[in-house]
Amino acid sequence: DIVMTQTPLSSPVTLGQPASISCRSSQSLVHSDGNTYLSWLQQRPGQPPRLLIYKISNRFSGVPDRFSGSGAGTDFTLKISRVEAEDVGVYYCTQATQFPWTFGQGTKVEIK
Amino acid sequence: QVQLVESGGGVVQPGTSLRLSCAASGFTFRSHGMHWVRQAPGKGLEWVAVIWYDGSNKYYADSVQGRFTISRDNAKNTLSLQMNSLRAEDTAMYYCARWGDSKILDTWGQGTMVTVSS
Repeated sequence: DIVMTQTPLSSPVTLGQPASISCRSSQSLVHSDGNTYLSWLQQRPGQPPRLLIYKISNRFSGVPDRFSGSGAGTDFTLKISRVEAEDVGVYYCTQATQFPWTFGQGTKVEIK
Repeated sequence: QVQLVESGGGVVQPGTSLRLSCAASGFTFRSHGMHWVRQAPGKGLEWVAVIWYDGSNKYYADSVQGRFTISRDNAKNTLSLQMNSLRAEDTAMYYCARWGDSKILDTWGQGTMVTVSS
């Protein structure tokens, strides 16, 4: 199975400041079709997960442009350019390149 | 709008069975693969199972292989998860999620809680 490792596990951020989360996979996420199926999910307190970013850097419908994704191969990053109060929650990276699909441990973003 | 509503959760004893359902609406259910993902209390997400849009393929996490069965009824727009031989470690919120284009989980239900305890 592909292991997804996120850092940090907790990220206290001042409102309006940037935040960055790293995700590393135990093997390349490049699929045989040439795509890299790395997504980012947000889970606000008491809510189900919500898709933010797919295929490394594509924002899903309705996701604010302060969220961006980057990376390649085994190293990926989610950035929030200016954290807002509604961004508080846990963020997960996930790979869909091969079964079983796997998730990172989650990174808790909170306001200082 | 696209909606997934899970049901069937509850408190059960170890070794017993439970069947979860997920009612889909607002989209062409028969055109999408579907997944179950679970989350133990205070823990992260764990992928459980997937079923192809037409039911032709199914995959399971090792942790549930041989005990859980995913199925679907495209005529009734319903996804199911039959859970047998339940263990304490199966205690979790169970979410159904739609498999969108580009191998994404683009829509999630609110979840149904399963507690396995004696």
